[in-house]
Amino acid sequence: EDQVTQSPEALRLQEGESSSLNCSYTVSGLRGLFWYRQDPGKGPEFLFTLYSAGEEKEKERLKATLTKKESFLHITAPKPEDSATYLCAVQADFGNEKLTFGTGTRLTIIP
Amino acid sequence: ETGVTQTPRHLVMGMTNKKSLKCEQHLGHNAMYWYKQSAKKPLELMFVYNFKEQTENNSVPSRFSPECPNSSHLFLHLHTLQPEDSALYLCASSQITVPGELFFGEGSRLTVL
Repeated sequence: EDQVTQSPEALRLQEGESSSLNCSYTVSGLRGLFWYRQDPGKGPEFLFTLYSAGEEKEKERLKATLTKKESFLHITAPKPEDSATYLCAVQADFGNEKLTFGTGTRLTIIP
Repeated sequence: ETGVTQTPRHLVMGMTNKKSLKCEQHLGHNAMYWYKQSAKKPLELMFVYNFKEQTENNSVPSRFSPECPNSSHLFLHLHTLQPEDSALYLCASSQITVPGELFFGEGSRLTVL
C-alpha cells in the first residue's frame, strides 16, 4: 500500500528564517510526486511536480527536491504570506489517477 | 468565472435530507474528481471521471452518488448521510495526461446533524 508521511506536523518560523519540510514516501513505483499549498478555508493549490530522483523545481522562495525515498520543500527567507499548510502527494507507477496524500505540514511565519 | 467553482460553500443537512453539491470547471480539462478532506486525515479520493466516464470509485458508500453530465460539470448527490460524513468536499480537475496536477475548487463544507 502506498504511504506518504510528512514532518513536522507544524512548524513556526520567524520571518527570514529558512527551513525545510519533509515528505517520506513508499510506493510500488513512483510516477510523480506533487506539492500543494493550502490556505485556510480554501482548496489546495498546485505547486510542483517531481518525476525522478535528483530533480529540483523552484518557485520564488520555494525549492522542491526529490530522492528515492523522500522529498524536501525548502523555504528560503520566508515571509508571513508563505504561511499555509503544505501537502505532499504521490502517484504510483502502476496505479491509475489516484494520488496518495500526506496529512500536511502547517507552516506559520511570524513577522 | 475562472478556475474551478463549487456551490454551495457551506451546507448543513439532517440525516434524512437529500442535497447536491455542484462543481464547474472553466479550464478546459477532461478529468474531474471528488475528494473528501477531514480534520487530521489525508485528502481522500472519492470519484474520478475521465471524459465524463467514471473510472474510479474508491469504495465510497452508496449514500454518495456522483454525476458528470459533461466534462465541465460534476455533481455529488447526498442522501441519508451520517454525522461522520461531515467534512470538506473538494472538487478538482486536470488534464488526463497529468492527473497529479490538480486544480481544486474552494470546497463545500458539509455538516450533517
